[in-house]
Amino acid sequence: GNSVTQMEGPVTLSEEAFLTINCTYTATGYPSLFWYVQYPGEGLQLLLKATKADDKGSNKGFEATYRKETTSFHLEKGSVQVSDSAVYFCALRMGIQGAQKLVFGQGTRLTINP
Amino acid sequence: SAVISQKPSRDICQRGTSLTIQCQVDSQVTMMFWYRQQPGQSLTLIATANQGSEATYESGFVIDKFPISRPNLTFSTLTVSNMSPEDSSIYLCSVAPPGEKLFFGSGTQLSVL
Repeated sequence: GNSVTQMEGPVTLSEEAFLTINCTYTATGYPSLFWYVQYPGEGLQLLLKATKADDKGSNKGFEATYRKETTSFHLEKGSVQVSDSAVYFCALRMGIQGAQKLVFGQGTRLTINP
Repeated sequence: SAVISQKPSRDICQRGTSLTIQCQVDSQVTMMFWYRQQPGQSLTLIATANQGSEATYESGFVIDKFPISRPNLTFSTLTVSNMSPEDSSIYLCSVAPPGEKLFFGSGTQLSVL
């Protein structure tokens, strides 16, 4: 079946450090890939997405590139801030647009210290 | 966009009882989704709720345990029935307005004693 595996957390970094959160997937076809973020006390929010191989999603300084050859969608940010502290979820979606069923990774808790 | 109001935000319940979680959206949406996030685990889709038809449940979830109502295009409820401590989780409602991304509610944190 389809699945997503994320780097285990928690991850703790200092402000301005470089961030990588690894995400790999298993899928029978060609999924769309997503990163969601959940800030403390808030609902999940879409951070970025990529719908086909070699696409790069980016938002708020975060980037992730859809790599079909390595079935990966690693999340990166060059210089993290305290406000980036949150739980990050990698996800994939199969099926027709409108089906909207997501398969999530287990989430990675990120804490940024000043 | 869509704004989702989910309640209660948290509850502590006794085993054997039932809890109904409500999800209200500020716009009409065809499909609403209910997810569960068990402690330390990923989000898992419980069911898809379409207005005017029975909900579609994912493998491992049954209607008797998680009955869902979808009386109109802006509202849905999920009931967790005959609860046990294993049902302690965060339950999330999500919607997908036409042509838009998925939006999530802030979740209901359920603890069963």
